[in-house]
This record gives sequence, C-alpha cells and structure tokens, in this order.
Amino acid sequence: NAGVTQTPKFRVLKTGQSMTLLCAQDMNHEYMYWYRQDPGMGLRLIHYSVGEGTTAKGEVPDGYNVSRLKKQNFLLGLESAAPSQTSVYFCASSYTGGTEAFFGQGTRLTVV
Amino acid sequence: AQSVTQPDIHITVSEGASLELRCNYSYGATPYLFWYVQSPGQGLQLLLKYFSGDTLVQGIKGFEAEFKRSQSSFNLRKPSVHWSDAAEYFCAVATKHGSSNTGKLIFGQGTTLQVKP
Repeated sequence: NAGVTQTPKFRVLKTGQSMTLLCAQDMNHEYMYWYRQDPGMGLRLIHYSVGEGTTAKGEVPDGYNVSRLKKQNFLLGLESAAPSQTSVYFCASSYTGGTEAFFGQGTRLTVV
Repeated sequence: AQSVTQPDIHITVSEGASLELRCNYSYGATPYLFWYVQSPGQGLQLLLKYFSGDTLVQGIKGFEAEFKRSQSSFNLRKPSVHWSDAAEYFCAVATKHGSSNTGKLIFGQGTTLQVKP
C-alpha cells in the first residue's frame, strides 16, 4: 500500500518555465490537498479538492492551478514559475473532511 | 481568524528528559486538533489527534497531548525523549465551514526538537 505518492521528488526550474506536480493516492480518499512549506511558516494550503472534478482555492493559490480529473490523482501546475515559488510542496489526502490527512514525501522545487 | 501558534521555534532536551511542546489555537468552535512530526527530508506523520471525548489523547511513539479548552491549548508531551525523536513537530487545527468539516488544516510554525546525548 503506497499511500500518497508525489512525483517528482526534486526539480529545478528557470524563471518563467512551467511544470506539473503529480500526486497519486491509493486509499480511495475523497479529499486531496496541496500545501507548501516554507521555513518558519509551517505549511500553507494552496488548493484542495473535495471530490473528483472539484477544486477550490486555499490560503495561497496565486500562481498555481490544479486539476482532479481522476479521484486518485491531484495535479498542481505552475504556468510561469517565479523564485517566490521555491518551496517544498506536500500533497495530502483524507477520506472525508473530518478524518486525518495522510501526507506524501514532498517535492522540493527550486526556481532560479 | 483561525490560527495556531507554537511559541517555541527550537527546543533542546537531553536524552531521557521529559518533553513538552506548546500549541495554542484560536478557533470559534470545538476544534479538531492534530500533532504531526516531520523527520528531515520526509513527509509529515500523524502523532495523534483530538476530535472529542477524553481530553488526554495517546499517540504513537509514546507521545500524548492534552486538550485544554479554557487555555485554548493542545500541548504535546513525552515522559522520556529518545535521540530518534529529534525532528520538527507541527500542531494543526482542521477548519470547518458552518457545521461541516472542510479537512483543511491550519498549521503552526513548527517546533524543531534537538536531543542532546
């Protein structure tokens, strides 16, 4: 049972480049989330989804887009990367809104 | 606004000593509270959670936490720290929209625990 898997684990982008981070969960969870972690700031929610085909903005959504075409996958896109998006990105999933979230191992993204 | 505060950015304890990590929250309703641990280069692992009922909750790895509504606190404790406990610890509260749980978590800034031999 893999849980929550994030791809890739590391990436370096040049300013203005685009990329997509993939999150896959095999626990049949309805809810999925993307967070970013920055030093001294804990984790902050970027976007989330409460079911296949749904997405919603979190606390820091600017510069990111997401899609949830399949229940098990939640994609995070950066259309035009900026150095301010250098961060560690975590995907999480939960069965419902009232249950615990399970986290992936993270993606370390550097934008130069 | 909902918020979580972890007053201690960095704590150092000796191996075998007791540990208490502080967490204060600001939330209008009965909160769902969590403690997560993050080892270097790893994801977050749930230590314990409080949803309702007994205010003293037991978690994995010998950790416990006590929910105190009057103090808006959910402090994490361990009676005897092991070197392997060195990590970053996050307190979090799950938000609600009306009476529904959104599942969205608000995290504290984190506390880094260093364990001296």
